[in-house]
Amino acid sequence: QKEVEQDPGPLSVPEGAIVSLNCTYSNSAFQYFMWYRQYSRKGPELLMYTYSSGNKEDGRFTAQVDKSSKYISLFIRDSQPSDSATYLCAMNTGNQFYFGTGTSLTVIP
Amino acid sequence: DAGITQSPRHKVTETGTPVTLRCHQTENHRYMYWYRQDPGHGLRLIHYSYGVKDTDKGEVSDGYSVSRSKTEDFLLTLESATSSQTSVYFCAINQGSNTIYFGEGSWLTVV
Repeated sequence: QKEVEQDPGPLSVPEGAIVSLNCTYSNSAFQYFMWYRQYSRKGPELLMYTYSSGNKEDGRFTAQVDKSSKYISLFIRDSQPSDSATYLCAMNTGNQFYFGTGTSLTVIP
Repeated sequence: DAGITQSPRHKVTETGTPVTLRCHQTENHRYMYWYRQDPGHGLRLIHYSYGVKDTDKGEVSDGYSVSRSKTEDFLLTLESATSSQTSVYFCAINQGSNTIYFGEGSWLTVV
């Protein structure tokens, strides 16, 4: 079993929709939880990170962590075509990082 | 901008030849990482470094070696390239905030 599981999609939504991206994990020692966005043929770009259970909001993006269920989510409100990318979840124990395989998202104008 | 430069960005090489990829950072961050990214596998750690001359293996280290003689440079060497090492390689740095930042990638094709 992988330490981090992420549904690869692909996910296709109309512009303006609310998008929900999710990951589950098995290691209760994970400390920080991150979301990266990766455009085609580019490096992953850090979107958000959070430490505790609960929600963290940044503009149209909300990261949610439920440590009791070992489940994290990223919500994108009012999705735009420019949000079309692959989204990777990640988490760490100290200086070791563990990544989901990524969810491919397409926002259709 | 995390101040990471990877070179070369694209390379085609023949099976059996050695290849070295370079990662350069502009700040003095201690931790540096090399990952490869493949469809269906996501990002997999090859090697990482926690200081000059201090390195350790990741989950897919076979066929790869690394060196770090200066804080700012982390080199990944494919000792004898194989077709299974065709991939995109990402360098990353840990800026000490429990997150890591990636370079733009090096696309390697082994023919």
